[in-house]
Amino acid sequence: QKEVEQNSGPLSVPEGAIASLNCTYSDRGSQSFFWYRQYSGKSPELIMFIYSNGDKEDGRFTAQLNKASQYVSLLIRDSQPSDSATYLCVVSLYNFNKFYFGSGTKLNVKP
Amino acid sequence: EPEVTQTPSHQVTQMGQEVILRCVPISNHLYFYWYRQILGQKVEFLVSFYNNEISEKSEIFDDQFSVERPDGSNFTLKIRSTKLEDSAMYFCASSEALGFRMGETQYFGPGTRLLVL
Repeated sequence: QKEVEQNSGPLSVPEGAIASLNCTYSDRGSQSFFWYRQYSGKSPELIMFIYSNGDKEDGRFTAQLNKASQYVSLLIRDSQPSDSATYLCVVSLYNFNKFYFGSGTKLNVKP
Repeated sequence: EPEVTQTPSHQVTQMGQEVILRCVPISNHLYFYWYRQILGQKVEFLVSFYNNEISEKSEIFDDQFSVERPDGSNFTLKIRSTKLEDSAMYFCASSEALGFRMGETQYFGPGTRLLVL
């Protein structure tokens, strides 16, 4: 069973703070890692993807991958109330045709 | 900006009835996917489709489910005999390419909310 684990939250941070979201995965064959944002009642939208160990930055977002520890994280700097959503960690294996979703972490950014 | 579209946005059906959910992927995309999300639960992969055949399917995607690309634009999910537990939001997604070099970003449609009574 391929598991992607996330703390369900809610994670509450004040506006302007750094939000740190974490994810662990069980299958060492996992190759690609994605962070999606999902607003209530809406479809997931891609924030970032990462393939290699280390950090990847895109604007206010930084994804971090540690394959040895089977750990992926997402940092959101200067958090805004509009960042309040559920963040989904998604993993795909070597063939890229199948994707495993975590249950998501609900982030609440307080003004 | 191109987007994935899905119809209908909502569907109510009686248990045992057949439903067909429709999706129009982004026009130059080659890989298509269906997911479902039961209310309050996580998104679950159902099936991926490429080159007019199923690439992968999950254990959820049993004989009651089928997918088809009947023409150059539509991608459909059929549930032959709906059960109460099929009630969920069904998302279609598409991606341009596969693999590291091209990235495999999936773009999701807005979803079809299916309610089985």
